[in-house]
Amino acid sequence: AQKVTQAQTEISVVEKEDVTLDCVYETRDTTYYLFWYKQPPSGELVFLIRRNSFDEQNEISGRYSWNFQKSTSSFNFTITASQVVDSAVYFCALKRYGGSQGNLIFGKGTKLSVKP
Amino acid sequence: NAGVTQTPKFRVLKTGQSMTLLCAQDMNHEYMYWYRQDPGMGLRLIHYSVGEGTTAKGEVPDGYNVSRLKKQNFLLGLESAAPSQTSVYFCASSPSGTQYFGPGTRLTVL
Repeated sequence: AQKVTQAQTEISVVEKEDVTLDCVYETRDTTYYLFWYKQPPSGELVFLIRRNSFDEQNEISGRYSWNFQKSTSSFNFTITASQVVDSAVYFCALKRYGGSQGNLIFGKGTKLSVKP
Repeated sequence: NAGVTQTPKFRVLKTGQSMTLLCAQDMNHEYMYWYRQDPGMGLRLIHYSVGEGTTAKGEVPDGYNVSRLKKQNFLLGLESAAPSQTSVYFCASSPSGTQYFGPGTRLTVL
């Protein structure tokens, strides 16, 4: 069975603090995708990143970085120097490799509040 | 390029009424999905389609039907709405891996 766990339900930080959102996944597949999506207060779901299971390189995009560790089945997301606009619910998700392999398995999300 | 659009944005139904939610994508994606989002539950898959004319059940399909008569459209139907179907519904489309989501439809069933 596939499962995604985001143990942090809510996190509150002050602007400019760094914050890490944890994601732990379970799968028996050897190849799979991992994703992060952002859901701001306006409600839409914004795609942030996709990682293939065979590519364990960490990625940085501006203030965002992602740490993928297959050995611990984790795909953590760090925001450096957080800003109020980062306030949102962040979802980690897992998908079987291959387009016909159905849906995304979502974690329950972490609500991040960044206070000025 | 509008991406994924959903119609309507909001809807209030009475128990027992029926309605259809429309999802349209202009990216020529093969795969389309319907999810529902409930507080504290994340998103759960209702139905999905791997191509025009095909549909398949997801995790929570009961009470819903879908159709994919055209590649760009994926319809979600509620034949007899129940209060348990009060939720936010998201449509997504995908060329293969990454799914791109529409803005959502907030449905309330009284």
